Amino acid sequence: QQPVQSPQAVILREGEDAVINCSSSKALYSVHWYRQKHGEAPVFLMILLKGGEQKGHEKISASFNEKKQQSSLYLTASQLSYSGTYFCGTENNAGNNRKLIWGLGTSLAVNP
Amino acid sequence: DGGITQSPKYLFRKEGQNVTLSCEQNLNHDAMYWYRQDPGQGLRLIYYSQIVNDFQKGDIAEGYSVSREKKESFPLTVTSAQKNPTAFYLCASSMLGGGQPQHFGDGTRLSIL
Repeated sequence: QQPVQSPQAVILREGEDAVINCSSSKALYSVHWYRQKHGEAPVFLMILLKGGEQKGHEKISASFNEKKQQSSLYLTASQLSYSGTYFCGTENNAGNNRKLIWGLGTSLAVNP
Repeated sequence: DGGITQSPKYLFRKEGQNVTLSCEQNLNHDAMYWYRQDPGQGLRLIYYSQIVNDFQKGDIAEGYSVSREKKESFPLTVTSAQKNPTAFYLCASSMLGGGQPQHFGDGTRLSIL
C-alpha cells in the first residue's frame, strides 16, 4: 500500500521552516527520504528504522513514530537549495526480499 | 569514484521497436532496481534483482524485460508491447538487507518518435 505524503506542495521564503509527513497503513520497518530536483535523480537524505529513531542531516532532520506508522521530515531555516520534490519510500519488512514503496512526493519551493 | 551509470541520457523509440537502456554499477551492490517515473508522479517499480541470473517483477513489468548476467549490469529492454513508454527511467542499486539506501543513476528519458 502506497504511503501518503502531506502536504502535496509547499512554498516557503528562505529561512522559513517546513514539515513533510509520510504515513502508512501498514507496519513499517523503515522509512527512506530522498530529494529530487527537476530532471535529476533522487538523492538520498536519510533512513529511519522502527524504534522511533530521529536523525539529522545539516538542517534537515526526521522522526519515525512507530505507533502512528508515520515519519516526518523537518526542514529548518530553509535554503534555496532545498527546493525540489521530497519522496518517502517505505519498507514493510526486514530481510533480503526488500522493495521500497514510494509516496507521490511533496513539491517544495523556496523563494528568496 | 563509485556510482551508477545509465546510458543513454535521451532515447527515442519508433513504433514497433525494442530499445535497451543500460545500467552499470561499480558499488559492489547485490540488489538492482528499475523504476519508471511519469511527470508529477512517484517512482513505480518495473523489475528488481537481488542476485545474478535472478530477477522479480515489480508493479508494472508488462512490456518490459531485464537480464542480470553480471553483478554490475542490469539492462532494461522496453519492448514494442509497452504502448506508452514515454517516461523517465531510473536505475538504482543497494546492498542487501533491510534499511539499506538505494543509490540512483542519472536516468534515461525515453520518448516516442
